[in-house]
Amino acid sequence: DARVTQTPRDKVTEMGQEVTMRCQPILGHNTVFWYRQTMMQGLELLAYFRNRAPLDDSGMPKDRFSAEMPDATLATLKIQPSEPRDSAVYFCASGLVGGREQFFGPGTRLTVL
Amino acid sequence: AQTVTQSQPEMSVQEAETVTLSCTYDTSESNYYLFWYKQPPSRQMILVIRQEAYKQQNATENRFSVNFQKAAKSFSLKISDSQLGDTAMYFCAFIRYGGATNKLIFGTGTLLAVQP
Repeated sequence: DARVTQTPRDKVTEMGQEVTMRCQPILGHNTVFWYRQTMMQGLELLAYFRNRAPLDDSGMPKDRFSAEMPDATLATLKIQPSEPRDSAVYFCASGLVGGREQFFGPGTRLTVL
Repeated sequence: AQTVTQSQPEMSVQEAETVTLSCTYDTSESNYYLFWYKQPPSRQMILVIRQEAYKQQNATENRFSVNFQKAAKSFSLKISDSQLGDTAMYFCAFIRYGGATNKLIFGTGTLLAVQP
């Protein structure tokens, strides 16, 4: 049963610390998305990769956030330094170019104190 | 820019009854897909049903069906024979077909509570 995996599932950290979230897309999928879910903003796109190349990161605060795909099986989202307003659930999703569906991971709940 | 609107923040239904969740969207695109996602307390985003804009026939998946009105830009979800496990947040979502970024545009969600 292919599924997107994300680690960690929950993360509590203190303001100023670096946070790294990891995602393993479904094998064979060539698009990866990072979404953030907050009560105030709902679900919003942070970054989009196609064939490991970043195509859209317009939704991501550039000064502290960075997203990469070191290889086809790993996508990372880093926050440095973290701030309380970064507290949210971060979802990774994967799919196929031209595909209709995105498959979501279980999300990482981040709490920045 | 595309927008998705869910005007019902919360809804309640009795077990075994039928409930309809509303969604409207705004777009100038002609090729797109619409989705309903379910998010239970586990927070996993689960695809419930999808509709291709070019199809006139309404999609159905077991107890879930949609009423897609393209001219009115309306996409409601009907849940028949509601079950306790249907209790969740439901999100309506839009995706443009063939765009540079296939990002999902989500509504604000409707929290559905199924009462025993």
